Parts: sequence; C-alpha cells; structure tokens
Amino acid sequence: AQKVTQAQTEISVVEKEDVTLDCVYETRDTTYYLFWYKQPPSGELVFLIRRNSFDEQNEISGRYSWNFQKSTSSFNFTITASQVVDSAVYFCALSEVYSGAGSYQLTFGKGTKLSVIP
Amino acid sequence: NAGVTQTPKFRILKIGQSMTLQCTQDMNHNYMYWYRQDPGMGLKLIYYSVGAGITDKGEVPNGYNVSRSTTEDFPLRLELAAPSQTSVYFCASRPEQGPIYGYTFGSGTRLTVV
Repeated sequence: AQKVTQAQTEISVVEKEDVTLDCVYETRDTTYYLFWYKQPPSGELVFLIRRNSFDEQNEISGRYSWNFQKSTSSFNFTITASQVVDSAVYFCALSEVYSGAGSYQLTFGKGTKLSVIP
Repeated sequence: NAGVTQTPKFRILKIGQSMTLQCTQDMNHNYMYWYRQDPGMGLKLIYYSVGAGITDKGEVPNGYNVSRSTTEDFPLRLELAAPSQTSVYFCASRPEQGPIYGYTFGSGTRLTVV
C-alpha cells in the first residue's frame, strides 16, 4: 500500500529565511506520481507541482524548488526567501498508476504547517 | 470554467440528522473522489467513482453513501450524522487518462455535527 510521511508537523521561520519541507513516500509501483499542494488559511487546496517517477530532474519555479530522489524515496520542497504569504499547510501526495485497484487515488501525508513570521 | 463545485460551503447538523453534500464538475471527468480532512491530518479517501454508475469504497467509507447517476454529479450522503463526521469534505475529479493530468479539487464543505 502506498504511504506518504511528512515528519515535520509545524515549522516556523522568520521572513526571508529559506525553508525545506520533507516528504518521504512508500510504494510498490515503479510508475507513480508525486504532488505538492498548498492549503492557505482560506482552506482551498492549491496545486503546486506534479512529478512522475521517471523524471528525477529537480525543478525550480520562482522561489520554489523541488528535490526528487528515488534512491531515498523523498520529494522535498524548498521555499527560498520565505514570505508571510507562504504561511499555509503544505501536503505531499502520491498516486500510483498500476496499483490501487484502478482508482488512481491520491494518498496524502498529514501535512506540514508553515508559519512565516514577519 | 467552474471546475469542481461543492455545496454547501458550511453546514451544522445535529446528531442523527441526514444530509447530502453536493459535488458537480463541468470538465467531463470520469474519475471523481470524496475526501475528508480532519484537523492536523491529511485527506483520507471516502469513496470514488470511475464513471457514471460505478462507485467504490475508499479508506474511510463507514457512515457514508454515494451515487453517480451522471458524469457531472457525485453526491455524498450522510445518513445518521455522528460527531466523528465533523470534518472538511473535499470533492475532486480528474480525466480518465491518469494522474499526469492532475486532479481538480472543489473548495470544500465544512461540516460540524453537534
């Protein structure tokens, strides 16, 4: 069964600091997708990134970057020069392609609450 | 482009009451999902559907029922509300082609059972 672990429950940083959110996953599939979602205080889920298991190239998008390492089953997320608007709960999620009885469901971690202090 | 629409946004139920959470999508997606999010927890799958007329249980289906009579609608039914069902409920959909095309989430329904 697939599993996602976000060991950091809460993180607080001072504005302009860099912060890395950790995500470790478990799956028996060789083909899968990993996601990061942001949930601001307003409650909606905002899609940030999707990565497939065959693409280990790290990605940078503005102040966001992602480090995908299959060898350690990790998909970490870094915010550079954090801002108050980054304060939110961040979820890592996994979707298997061949398992899960064809549901392609997303399995979420418990989330990391990030507080950026001005 | 409405995406996934959930109604109501907020609701307070008394123990033992019933209600239906509505979910509609206008993207012609075959796959639809209901998740619940408890405080400090990630989202857990309640039910899912791979197309009209086909539904199946997820991780936490007890106390809920679903139906899928059309591609657009995927309502979630609570028959006898219990305090343990106090949660935020999210509906999601995605194209049949697989996770590569991503999932679209509704804005959520915050349910309190008292």
